[in-house]
Amino acid sequence: AQKVTQAQTEISVVEKEDVTLDCVYETRDTTYYLFWYKQPPSGELVFLIRRNSFDEQNEISGRYSWNFQKSTSSFNFTITASQVVDSAVYFCALSGPRAGAGSYQLTFGKGTKLSVIP
Amino acid sequence: EAGVAQSPRYKIIEKRQSVAFWCNPISGHATLYWYQQILGQGPKLLIQFQNNGVVDDSQLPKDRFSAERLKGVDSTLKIQPAKLEDSAVYLCASSSPTGPGGQNEQFFGPGTRLTVL
Repeated sequence: AQKVTQAQTEISVVEKEDVTLDCVYETRDTTYYLFWYKQPPSGELVFLIRRNSFDEQNEISGRYSWNFQKSTSSFNFTITASQVVDSAVYFCALSGPRAGAGSYQLTFGKGTKLSVIP
Repeated sequence: EAGVAQSPRYKIIEKRQSVAFWCNPISGHATLYWYQQILGQGPKLLIQFQNNGVVDDSQLPKDRFSAERLKGVDSTLKIQPAKLEDSAVYLCASSSPTGPGGQNEQFFGPGTRLTVL
């Protein structure tokens, strides 16, 4: 069975501080994908990044960066110089082929609520 | 390109009543998903359609929940009768194998927030 653990339930930081959101996953699949989604107060899930299990290169996109370490089954997300607009719930998710289903279903963690204080 | 549309955005009902949610996926997306997101938790898949056929409904409480996707486009999710524990946000998502991420990238609608009193 697939499982995603986001141990941090809530985090508060002061604006311009850096913050890292942790994600640990479990899967028996050899091919899988990892995602991060942002859910602002409006409720819609906004896609941030997708990583496949064969690509362990870290990625940077503006103030966002992601650290994928297969050895520790972790896919952590860092926001540099946080801003108030970053306040949201962030979800880590895992997908892999399901036998018989023929498609890739998402298993989400419980999310981390980030509050950036001005 | 228009995103995934859902209606209504909010619904308040009393327990034992019935309710239905509607989803219109992104044009051309063959795969459609319904998720339930209880407050403080991540979304949980309820059912997945490929065109108008069900791919996976193993987590759908079939004694009270039903879903259909007639003609392989729009979908409705129904709860009858509703229970207090059904209070949640119901999210619809769609994906396409021809998109940038293939079947791995799901696009989510704004959700329907259901409150059962």
